Amino acid sequence: AQRVTQPEKLLSVFKGAPVELKCNYSYSGSPELFWYVQYSRQRLQLLLRHISRESIKGFTADLNKGETSFHLKKPFAQEEDSAMYYCALSPGGSEKLVFGKGTKLTVNP
Amino acid sequence: NAGVTQTPKFQVLKTGQSMTLQCAQDMNHNSMYWYRQDPGMGLRLIYYSASEGTTDKGEVPNGYNVSRLNKREFSLRLESAAPSQTSVYFCASSERRPLHNTIYFGEGSWLTVV
Repeated sequence: AQRVTQPEKLLSVFKGAPVELKCNYSYSGSPELFWYVQYSRQRLQLLLRHISRESIKGFTADLNKGETSFHLKKPFAQEEDSAMYYCALSPGGSEKLVFGKGTKLTVNP
Repeated sequence: NAGVTQTPKFQVLKTGQSMTLQCAQDMNHNSMYWYRQDPGMGLRLIYYSASEGTTDKGEVPNGYNVSRLNKREFSLRLESAAPSQTSVYFCASSERRPLHNTIYFGEGSWLTVV
């Protein structure tokens, strides 16, 4: 079965500090992995996907197949990064996404 | 370009009442979804539709029915609402392969069952 684990429900950092949101997955095949973000009072939106190897708003995420992880990182957190972050997996290119339970990031001034 | 539009935004129901959440997308997407979001549980898939005329159960389908009325619209019905169905409901749409396309979400519908 596919599973996405985000071990931290809450994460609090100070502005300018590095931030890492952890995501581990369980899937026997080749996964497609994503990070979604939900800012306060806004809809869920795609932040980045591993296949694109892109950096969005200073965030990057590297797929580590050996550790089955897809951690989201940013070297210098900003207050506007405060949001709910969800890691998601698409098993075998399926239409469905399996989401983790989310991590609420708070960046303090 | 409205994207994914869902109605109503807020609703309070009494236990046993029925209601339908409406969803429409204007991006000509084949796939549509209904998720529910609960504190500490993340997003869980209720039902999805890979194309017009097809629907399939997701992780938590009990107590819900869906209709893919046409390519644009995908409704979610609660026949007999229960307090456990108090949640935020999100409709979403995408092309068939999330690898190549993004899933777009609606703004959410806050449902309270008393």
